[in-house]
Amino acid sequence: SQQGEEDPQALSIQEGENATMNCSYKTSINNLQWYRQNSGRGLVHLILIRSNEREKHSGRLRVTLDTSKKSSSLLITASRAADTASYFCATSGSARQLTFGSGTQLTVLP
Amino acid sequence: ETGVTQTPRHLVMGMTNKKSLKCEQHLGHNAMYWYKQSAKKPLELMFVYSLEERVENNSVPSRFSPECPNSSHLFLHLHTLQPEDSALYLCASSQDPRQGGGNEQFFGPGTRLTVL
Repeated sequence: SQQGEEDPQALSIQEGENATMNCSYKTSINNLQWYRQNSGRGLVHLILIRSNEREKHSGRLRVTLDTSKKSSSLLITASRAADTASYFCATSGSARQLTFGSGTQLTVLP
Repeated sequence: ETGVTQTPRHLVMGMTNKKSLKCEQHLGHNAMYWYKQSAKKPLELMFVYSLEERVENNSVPSRFSPECPNSSHLFLHLHTLQPEDSALYLCASSQDPRQGGGNEQFFGPGTRLTVL
């Protein structure tokens, strides 16, 4: 069953602005991960946040996790045209399986 | 480069053809995965191999047949496919999360498959 749901489905911003994407999930998790995918390419792992963590940073990325609301957000600060891509959250609960959401298509306009 | 390669990158086949997709990982991982990505749908996990043993098969039709001869190589054999099987097929690898770690997966670039 589908676990993660990203919101919004599409987001268009100007270069330099911040982009925020949200992910909601249904069942308990061990960790939540964010991936990026350029058009027609493979996914690239961005960041992992464990269920006992509330916030994590990596460069211009900031991820938050609220297990009580079963939600996470990904913030990209000072966006660049090269950030244009689809962003997916994936939850890890069982031993081997990641369950992905449908993704947010981010377009950063120069 | 993620350390995971896939060949071919593009494949067009007829419904009666037999073809194989190949995936190779150079990361020393011991778990490998096949995913299907169709337009406007979430990634669908097809198969999981851990230590060369198939550990998950998510109700995939038998016209898809995986093979994992060693921990670095993974194949997906295709035969008698349907047009609805046209999609991007992605291979990924990770350390088996049963051995610790968070199951961060590293993906190949995918094979864009078109079934006529």
